[in-house]
Amino acid sequence: LAKITQPISMDSYEGQEVNITCSHNNIATNDYITWYQQFPSQGPRFIIQGYKTKVTNEVASLFIPADRKSSTLSLPRVSLSDTAVYYCLVGDTDNTDKLIFGTGTRLQVFP
Amino acid sequence: GAVVSQHPSWVICKSGTSVKIECRSLDFQATTMFWYRQFPKQSLMLMATSNEGSKATYEQGVEKDKFLINHASLTLSTLTVTSAHPEDSSFYICSARVVEGLAKNIQYFGAGTRLSVL
Repeated sequence: LAKITQPISMDSYEGQEVNITCSHNNIATNDYITWYQQFPSQGPRFIIQGYKTKVTNEVASLFIPADRKSSTLSLPRVSLSDTAVYYCLVGDTDNTDKLIFGTGTRLQVFP
Repeated sequence: GAVVSQHPSWVICKSGTSVKIECRSLDFQATTMFWYRQFPKQSLMLMATSNEGSKATYEQGVEKDKFLINHASLTLSTLTVTSAHPEDSSFYICSARVVEGLAKNIQYFGAGTRLSVL
C-alpha cells in the first residue's frame, strides 16, 4: 500500500480557495486516489476519486500530475461548513479492497 | 451517492454486556463491508473486512472473539462487541464498497456508532 503524506492542518478564510496536497510517492499502476471528508462524530463522506489528470464534480476538483506521485484536492470558495478533516487515500480498488486511513488534514475555516 | 445506514448511532451499556451494531447498504448490494474504529482526535483504524457468506478477515491485533462480525446477506453486516469493557468505548464506523455502476469501487460510510461502556 502506498505511503501517504499530507499536511496535518491548514487554516483558511471563508470565500478562499483551498488546495490540499497529498504525496504518494510509491503509488502503484492500478491505484486510484480518493478523498474523503469527515466531520466530528460522523462517518467519512466521499468527495472525489481520480486516476490521472483532472477530475471535477460539484464539490471539488482533483488534480493529478502525470507521474501520479502526488495529488491536490481543490475546494473552491470554502465556507465555515467546510471545516473538517480531509483524508487522502490511495489503493488498488480492483484488487485491494482495504482503505488505510492516514492522519488526514484538519482544515479550519475562519469567518 | 450510495447510502449506508448504521444503527444505533449511540449506545451506552454496562461493563460485561454485549452490544450489536448493524450496517446496511440501502440502495446497493455489498458483498464486502468494512468495520473501523476511531478514537477521539485520531484517524480511522480498520478492524476487519466483512465478507458476505464467509468469515470476516481481521486486522492484526483485533480480537475476533471479542468483535464478532456476521455478514449474512448482501445488504447487512453486524458487529457484536462481546463482554464490553470501558476500554472498548469508541466510535465504530462501517463502510460498504459499491461494485458496479457509476460509483464502482467507491466505499461509502455509515454515520458511525458511539459506544460508551460504563
